[in-house]
Amino acid sequence: EVQLVESGGGLVQPGGSLRLSCEASGFTFRSHWMHWVRQGPGKGLVWVSHINTDGSTTNYADSVKGRFTISRDNAKSTLYLHMNSLRAEDTAMYYCARVRGGRVDPVYGESYYYFYGMDVWGQGTTVTVSS
Amino acid sequence: DIQMTQSPSTLSAFVGDRVTITCRASQSISSSLAWYQQKPGKAPNLLIYQASTLESGVPSRFSGSGSGTEFTLTISSLQPDDLATYYCQQYNSYSWTFGQGTKVEIK
Repeated sequence: EVQLVESGGGLVQPGGSLRLSCEASGFTFRSHWMHWVRQGPGKGLVWVSHINTDGSTTNYADSVKGRFTISRDNAKSTLYLHMNSLRAEDTAMYYCARVRGGRVDPVYGESYYYFYGMDVWGQGTTVTVSS
Repeated sequence: DIQMTQSPSTLSAFVGDRVTITCRASQSISSSLAWYQQKPGKAPNLLIYQASTLESGVPSRFSGSGSGTEFTLTISSLQPDDLATYYCQQYNSYSWTFGQGTKVEIK
C-alpha cells in the first residue's frame, strides 16, 4: 500500500525548533519530488516547501524562508522538515505529499521534469506554537 | 508568486444539482492545474490534474475544464458524499500555490 506517515509534531514555545518526519512506503521514494503543505486551524491549504528527487533542489514559501529546511534521506525513504524560530502563525497541521510526475530525457536538449499535482498525502502532524 | 482565486467561497446546493466552482490564476498557467477535495478532518485528495484529467478512482460526475487563467470544476449531480472543501492548485511556477478553497454544503 502506498503510504506517507508524518510524525514529530507537538507543542513548542515561540522561538523554538521542531523536526517533522514523513516516512514513505509502498513506492520508490527516490523517484518522486516531495512537498510539505500546511493548514492553520480553520484555514485553507498553504504550500510550504518542495524538494527534488536527490535533494539538490529546494524551494520555500516566503513565510518560512530562512527558518525552515526541507531535506530527505532516500535510503530511509524519509522526508524531513526542520523548523526553527517558530512563530504562533506557524501553528498548523503539516502534511507531506508526493508529486506525481516524471523526468523526460530528450535526445536533443536538456532534461526536464513534468508534474501532475500531489497524488499521495499523509494524514498530517499537528504543530502548535504557544507559550 | 502566482495567485489563485476561487469563487464562490461557499456554496449550498441540493442533492442532484449541477455545481460549478471557478478558479482564476493571476497569470497564465497553461493547463498546470489540479483540483483537490478535502473532507472534514481528512487530508486532501487529488481529483483532477492537468486541468481536465480525472484521477483514477474519482467518480465521473467530477470534471474539470479551462486553460490559461480560468478554470472550472463541475460536479454534474451533487451527492451527499461530496460534502467537502475543494481547492485548486497551480503547479506551473516554481512555487506552487493553492486557491483559498470552496466549501460545498448540502441543502
